[in-house]
Amino acid sequence: DAGITQSPRHKVTETGTPVTLRCHQTENHRYMYWYRQDPGHGLRLIHYSYGVKDTDKGEVSDGYSVSRSKTEDFLLTLESATSSQTSVYFCAIRDRGEEQFFGPGTRLTVL
Amino acid sequence: KQEVTQIPAALSVPEGENLVLNCSFTDSAIYNLQWFRQDPGKGLTSLLLIQSSQREQTSGRLNASLDKSSGRSTLYIAASQPGDSATYLCAVRNGSGNTGKLIFGQGTTLQVKP
Repeated sequence: DAGITQSPRHKVTETGTPVTLRCHQTENHRYMYWYRQDPGHGLRLIHYSYGVKDTDKGEVSDGYSVSRSKTEDFLLTLESATSSQTSVYFCAIRDRGEEQFFGPGTRLTVL
Repeated sequence: KQEVTQIPAALSVPEGENLVLNCSFTDSAIYNLQWFRQDPGKGLTSLLLIQSSQREQTSGRLNASLDKSSGRSTLYIAASQPGDSATYLCAVRNGSGNTGKLIFGQGTTLQVKP
């Protein structure tokens, strides 16, 4: 599992509230990713990081921000959650062999 | 824009059959291609990674092939078992840029009946 954990694993929140999801890795990988998975859309990249304090946008970044202050932690923040952000969120890392490994996911419901 | 398609969307086979899952992509300038397995309510498990310079990769009963020029990859599962039941996802990484962004197909949901 490449030592990837995500927290929380499940969260229910209300529209307009801020939400932060955490991804933690134990193997010092440089590249980390946030994807969301939705029926009919598959998995889509939200944001990614290529080092501490180095982040960039993916294809569905509107409404999301990220931060990476330590190599091992990559945070995804929904500043003001909307119902369209109800989804399953996956964190991933890319190892030196270019293979990507995914975390267990966070199921987020925005009411 | 790269698009990844997996056909069929669902497949049901009896235990013991050999089977092939298909993945096609529209832009042949890929860096690599990765096959994943996803069990219901779970994360993605990496099965095989094929670099653009490779033709195939094998792991146990799984064999993945890559034909870049035709924009196709296949995942061959030998002697299928009920435990192979899951959704199989194909993802490509484009050759340009160093994002490492994966572009996923919609997946093939496999059911292996005892």
